[in-house]
Amino acid sequence: GDSVTQMEGPVTLSEEAFLTINCTYTATGYPSLFWYVQYPGEGLQLLLKATKADDKGSNKGFEATYRKETTSFHLEKGSVQVSDSAVYFCALSSGGANNLFFGTGTRLTVIP
Amino acid sequence: DAMVIQNPRYQVTQFGKPVTLSCSQTLNHNVMYWYQQKSSQAPKLLFHYYDKDFNNEADTPDNFQSRRPNTSFCFLDIRSPGLGDAAMYLCATRPWGNRGDEQFFGPGTRLTVL
Repeated sequence: GDSVTQMEGPVTLSEEAFLTINCTYTATGYPSLFWYVQYPGEGLQLLLKATKADDKGSNKGFEATYRKETTSFHLEKGSVQVSDSAVYFCALSSGGANNLFFGTGTRLTVIP
Repeated sequence: DAMVIQNPRYQVTQFGKPVTLSCSQTLNHNVMYWYQQKSSQAPKLLFHYYDKDFNNEADTPDNFQSRRPNTSFCFLDIRSPGLGDAAMYLCATRPWGNRGDEQFFGPGTRLTVL
């Protein structure tokens, strides 16, 4: 079945450090891929998405590229800020139902 | 702004006392979802609606029911909450069709069971 494997956390970085959170997926067909962010006590917000191979999603300095050959969708940011502290979820949707399959989430803490 | 609204944000109930959580949306989306998210875990899909067509996940307990009286509103009923049902409950919506469309989440209702 469809699934997402996400880098386990927690991740702690200093402000302005480079961020990578790894995400790989297993899916039949051609899934769409997403990164969602969840700030403390809040619901999930879409951070970025990609709907086909080689697409790059980007938003707020974050980027992720849909790599079909490695079945990956790693999240990167060149210089993190304290305000980026949150839990990040990789997810895919596929098939007729388009239900989301989430990874386990990675908690990021950025310290000044 | 168009949005997904969940009320209340925090709900406290007693063991075994029925509770209802509500979700409303101004996005006019056909599809609505309910997720359960326990601490430090990924959201788990409970059920979803395509318009009024109800779809229950296979492992959703019978204790959880849902109603969708119209496009805008959806309710989650927990008939006899147990301690293990304490969690954040997330409502989400999506327009019908384009599989690339993301789901739009509400802020969640945090349920405490005493």
